[in-house]
Amino acid sequence: QQQVKQSPQSLIVQKGGISIINCAYENTAFDYFPWYQQFPGKGPALLIAIRPDVSEKKEGRFTISFNKSAKQFSLHIMDSQPGDSATYFCAASRHNYGQNFVFGPGTRLSVLP
Amino acid sequence: SQTIHQWPATLVQPVGSPLSLECTVEGTSNPNLYWYRQAAGRGLQLLFYSVGIGQISSEVPQNLSASRPQDRQFILSSKKLLLSDSGFYLCAWSHTGNEQFFGPGTRLTVL
Repeated sequence: QQQVKQSPQSLIVQKGGISIINCAYENTAFDYFPWYQQFPGKGPALLIAIRPDVSEKKEGRFTISFNKSAKQFSLHIMDSQPGDSATYFCAASRHNYGQNFVFGPGTRLSVLP
Repeated sequence: SQTIHQWPATLVQPVGSPLSLECTVEGTSNPNLYWYRQAAGRGLQLLFYSVGIGQISSEVPQNLSASRPQDRQFILSSKKLLLSDSGFYLCAWSHTGNEQFFGPGTRLTVL
């Protein structure tokens, strides 16, 4: 119930294309769903996050889609750029519940020029 | 604004030697603190977390230990390193229920 599943494991997209990464969770108590971006040799950085009271959140080229009934959420990167090449982690957490913060296994995105 | 520091940035140690990695947070108080390990090309493995001074929870049994001597200081230690301890160690902080902020990481190579 604590697991967050993430797919695909790796993704190759042409410049200008759309990158889509999917995550699924089991624990319905989770109420915060962030996405992190990590470049090689660096710590993960928060990219965008959503709470379950909305179905979509957009920040620039990055959009989170959230389906509460299916317990799934996804990251869409529009007009993907070579600079977006990184590893992306989804996560889920539970408000006011200590450390209950679960990460997906990550997706390595490569955007070809 | 809040910042998180880790040192050293890189470390090469022989098998059997001790380890001490330090993490400090500035610009906030009473943070939750976390230690993660990341193997090459892999996900984040939570090692320890702390909700307050002297309060440490271990997620994975191993030869590592953690301590929190001050509110914004978190230390990862080992008495004798193993080859399998090699990896990228990340410290993070959060306030309960909100996003975690990661430090720059320490690359540990055990030879």
